[in-house]
Amino acid sequence: DADVTQTPRNRITKTGKRIMLECSQTKGHDRMYWYRQDPGLGLRLIYYSFDVKDINKGEISDGYSVSRQAQAKFSLSLESAIPNQTALYFCASRGSLNTEAFFGQGTRLTVV
Amino acid sequence: QQQVKQSPQSLIVQKGGISIINCAYENTAFDYFPWYQQFPGKGPALLIAIRPDVSEKKEGRFTISFNKSAKQFSLHIMDSQPGDSATYFCAASIMGNQFYFGTGTSLTVIP
Repeated sequence: DADVTQTPRNRITKTGKRIMLECSQTKGHDRMYWYRQDPGLGLRLIYYSFDVKDINKGEISDGYSVSRQAQAKFSLSLESAIPNQTALYFCASRGSLNTEAFFGQGTRLTVV
Repeated sequence: QQQVKQSPQSLIVQKGGISIINCAYENTAFDYFPWYQQFPGKGPALLIAIRPDVSEKKEGRFTISFNKSAKQFSLHIMDSQPGDSATYFCAASIMGNQFYFGTGTSLTVIP
C-alpha cells in the first residue's frame, strides 16, 4: 500500500459544485501539505498543517479550504469550483524530524 | 514571486550524455535543498538532497553542486539513460517547514 493515498485519482466536476479531495498517510507524520501542479508553474502550496490543531495558508489558498480530521487525514475542499482550478493536486506528508516529503499519486481535477 | 527559479524548462539529451539542471534562490535562510523526480502519472519522489554546509553531494549517477555565495545549485545526471526521462523539480525549505519548488524541467533522454 502507498504511504500517502489520495482519493479520487480523477474527477470531473461542474462549475459551482463543491468538491472534496481526500488524503491519508500511514507514515505517522505530523506535517501534511496540499500542492497544486500546473504546466510551467511547478508545484504551488495551497495549505499546510503541522498538527491537527494547526492549519496554515500557502501561496494560493484563495478558493480552497482544508480540514485536518486526524493526524493521518488531511482533506482539501473547493467550495465552489471554477474552471481555472482545473489542475493536478498533490498531497504530501513529512515528519517534523525528517527532511523528506512523501507525495501521493495525485488527483487530476477537471472543472467544466 | 518565485522563491526558487529553475532552468531550463525542457532538456533533450542523448543516451550516455550529461544532463544539467540549474536552480537559483534568493532567501539565504534556506537550509535544505532537495531534488524531486516525477514520472508521468506519479507523485514526485525524493532523488537527492543537500544542505548548504557542503558544496557537492553524489549518489550514483546523480550529483548536486551547491554554490552558496552565488545562491545557486544544480543537478548533474551522468551517463543519462532513457529511464531517467522524467520531470525534475528543485526545491528549498527553511527549518523543516514548507518547500518552495522550482517550475520543473522535463528531461528526455534519447536512446
